Amino acid sequence: KQEVTQIPAALSVPEGENLVLNCSFTDSAIYNLQWFRQDPGKGLTSLLLIQSSQREQTSGRLNASLDKSSGRSTLYIAASQPGDSATYLCAVRRQGAQKLVFGQGTRLTINP
Amino acid sequence: NAGVTQTPKFRVLKTGQSMTLLCAQDMNHEYMYWYRQDPGMGLRLIHYSVGEGTTAKGEVPDGYNVSRLKKQNFLLGLESAAPSQTSVYFCASRSWTGQTQYFGPGTRLLVL
Repeated sequence: KQEVTQIPAALSVPEGENLVLNCSFTDSAIYNLQWFRQDPGKGLTSLLLIQSSQREQTSGRLNASLDKSSGRSTLYIAASQPGDSATYLCAVRRQGAQKLVFGQGTRLTINP
Repeated sequence: NAGVTQTPKFRVLKTGQSMTLLCAQDMNHEYMYWYRQDPGMGLRLIHYSVGEGTTAKGEVPDGYNVSRLKKQNFLLGLESAAPSQTSVYFCASRSWTGQTQYFGPGTRLLVL
């Protein structure tokens, strides 16, 4: 059974810092991995999707990497801003499956 | 484009009552999903649909029924609500060829 873990559960950093969020998964037979952002009381917004054959994806100040063999992904946020404060979720989709398996999320706070 | 919308935003039910949650998408997506989000459990897939007239069970289907009579709508029904169904419910959709799932804003349900 696929399990997805995100550490730390919460992170607080000062504005302007570069930071890394971690995601690990137990079954390397994944089809893709997706990073989402969730603001309090809101839905999920897709940030980046990495195919199993890819090593990384970039969008603006965000960079996501994937190491399938070790079961790890990282989300790098450069020059953090208070507006980046949210919960970040990673989710994996297994080959041949429909469902996404989500981690518990990392609650990120950027302090001005 | 409104994307994925959900009705209602919030509802309080008494144990044993029934209700239907409505999800609508205007992106002409084939796939639609219902998830529930609970503290400490993350998001879990309840039911999904791969096209109009089709439905399938997800990870936690018990106590729920779904219908997809129109391509743009996916309904989630609770026939006899239980306190264990207190949760935040999210609908998502994706296209046949796309891999990104797009989420609605959620419905907060409280069962007393």
